[in-house]
Amino acid sequence: GAGVSQSPSNKVTEKGKDVELRCDPISGHTALYWYRQSLGQGLEFLIYFQGNSAPDKSGLPSDRFSAERTGGSVSTLTIQRTQQEDSAVYLCASSLGPGRENEQFFGPGTRLTVL
Amino acid sequence: GQNIDQPTEMTATEGAIVQINCTYQTSGFNGLFWYQQHAGEAPTFLSYNVLDGLEEKGRFSSFLSRSKGYSYLLLKELQMKDSASYLCAVRGGSNYQLIWGAGTKLIIKP
Repeated sequence: GAGVSQSPSNKVTEKGKDVELRCDPISGHTALYWYRQSLGQGLEFLIYFQGNSAPDKSGLPSDRFSAERTGGSVSTLTIQRTQQEDSAVYLCASSLGPGRENEQFFGPGTRLTVL
Repeated sequence: GQNIDQPTEMTATEGAIVQINCTYQTSGFNGLFWYQQHAGEAPTFLSYNVLDGLEEKGRFSSFLSRSKGYSYLLLKELQMKDSASYLCAVRGGSNYQLIWGAGTKLIIKP
């Protein structure tokens, strides 16, 4: 695709429900990142994929959060038993590779609201 | 710990020049990025510095001093569309992970 796409754009859920967020990176980009951004805050790193493997899951805030990437392309971020503090915009980004100069291209984000 | 500091908010006048500062303390340094983020939109890349000095790109310039742990983004000939948040991000010891500042909200007044 022309850019990084994410779905859904908005998700409202009830506390305790599971949600699944999807990211479709730019074709050919091997590196994929998930971030969380709360209102007025900077980006909080969640997880990084190189290909299908996730060498760094250190940013996942709890074991309720998991992510996978298949075929070196689409990634899904799953949040189980959602809590109100999970409400945020979840941003996905991709880059050509992990090389230090490679800029990250961001998707439009998924705004998650947990009631 | 690792820390990125930027002013929370700045105000400038259309047509003027504004400098947004960023200081950082990270374990290792492999480059500094500036991103622009309009309200409700995703961040978009502006600049990358890995060596000391000034990188100029049209109306935007970015400066880096590694010894001081300091960078600034300079915006010239400000336009109303420049109203946005400007995020400073540092690639620390790892090859891929960026550490992000909270962003500086820039308000442009006519």
